Amino acid sequence: GAGVSQSPRYKVAKRGQDVALRCDPISGHVSLFWYQQALGQGPEFLTYFQNEAQLDKSGLPSDRFFAERPEGSVSTLKIQRTQQEDSAVYLCASSFGGWEKLFFGSGTQLSVL
Amino acid sequence: QQQVKQSPQSLIVQKGGISIINCAYENTAFDYFPWYQQFPGKGPALLIAIRPDVSEKKEGRFTISFNKSAKQFSLHIMDSQPGDSATYFCAARETSGSRLTFGEGTQLTVNP
Repeated sequence: GAGVSQSPRYKVAKRGQDVALRCDPISGHVSLFWYQQALGQGPEFLTYFQNEAQLDKSGLPSDRFFAERPEGSVSTLKIQRTQQEDSAVYLCASSFGGWEKLFFGSGTQLSVL
Repeated sequence: QQQVKQSPQSLIVQKGGISIINCAYENTAFDYFPWYQQFPGKGPALLIAIRPDVSEKKEGRFTISFNKSAKQFSLHIMDSQPGDSATYFCAARETSGSRLTFGEGTQLTVNP
């Protein structure tokens, strides 16, 4: 596709539910990043993949958050037992080789009720 | 811990005016400083970036000024247009790190 695609665009979950957020990076992009953006705030780093290898997961806020990229392309961010504080926009970004020139998707807006 | 402090939180400028957004940082390991533009409902888009070995970088109407000794950098938008109305984020990356640390954002409104 022309850009980074994220789905679903919106997700409403009841507290305690598990959710899975999908990211389709730009074809050929090696690096993939997940960021969390709370309302009115800047994005905060969650995790980074180079191909299928998760090289940095230090930003994941708890062990309820899990990300994977098994074939080095599509990535899924999973949040188990969602809490109200997980409500945010989850942004995926990809780049051809590294951390410069990141291309962001439009995000998934997660609302936990 | 706010590693990159951005100001002002909001800014209103008349069409044709100059918009100036400032950022300050503490971490001397930062070596790459991009600015991102974000429209409502969209992800951030890279606008312009600078490394600390230069004091200024210009691309079209957008200029970054960088003061390494003061650990400050700023974005100047010349001839501001209503289409520039968006939220702007400064960011920084540590040497050999993978993450960008973002500021809290500045909501810019350019009145026609």
